[in-house]
Amino acid sequence: EVQLVESGGGLVKPGGSLRLSCAASGFTFSNAWMSWVRQAPGKGLEWVGRIRKEGDGGTADHASPVKGRFTISRDDSQNMVYLQMNSLKTEDTAVYYCTTDGYELLSSGFDYWGQGTLVTVSS
Amino acid sequence: QSVLTQPPSASGTPGQRVVISCSGSSSNIGRDYVYWYHQLPGTAPKLLIYRNNQRPSGVPDRFSASKSGTSASLAISGLRSEDEADYYCAAWDDSLSGYVFGGGTKVTVL
Repeated sequence: EVQLVESGGGLVKPGGSLRLSCAASGFTFSNAWMSWVRQAPGKGLEWVGRIRKEGDGGTADHASPVKGRFTISRDDSQNMVYLQMNSLKTEDTAVYYCTTDGYELLSSGFDYWGQGTLVTVSS
Repeated sequence: QSVLTQPPSASGTPGQRVVISCSGSSSNIGRDYVYWYHQLPGTAPKLLIYRNNQRPSGVPDRFSASKSGTSASLAISGLRSEDEADYYCAAWDDSLSGYVFGGGTKVTVL
């Protein structure tokens, strides 16, 4: 069974940093592209960024609102994907979801989702 | 303001058919696949449709989708109370170099 478990959320002051982790199991993690998607309280979904599998270069893309502040990385030896968030703003307050990105088939979408972790940016 | 446009709400009685629209542009829906996700209250989103009209295993055939030009739609036939959820369309946007979502449509079963 595929499992994605996010952790690391919490309360942080504007300008602060936080690192989210996502532990993956139940599938061949090294073959998976991974994405982060967030959802502000009472709002819709917003893509944060993705990281390719090492075989496709292992590089990451980040959405414009977070580019230069957030960094996605992965550790295939630990089946983990990370979201390093710096210079946090109040508008970054959201539940952050870890997802697989086209794992089952090419272009199969965000196939699997974690339960999410809440990040609150407030003074 | 979301890049993809969905109606904020839709409703129907049990057994009815509900259709949700998703409007985009030539840089997203017009050139790439459309995906649909649903989110039951208090839970994480789940994939409902991929590659415009394909259902992952386990998704009932009451859910169907289509795409034409820069628009797409999701149809729910034989509406059930458990279909009450938020529904989101999504696509890759070449101009933004990222995935974009619709604002979501809340489906209510009357």
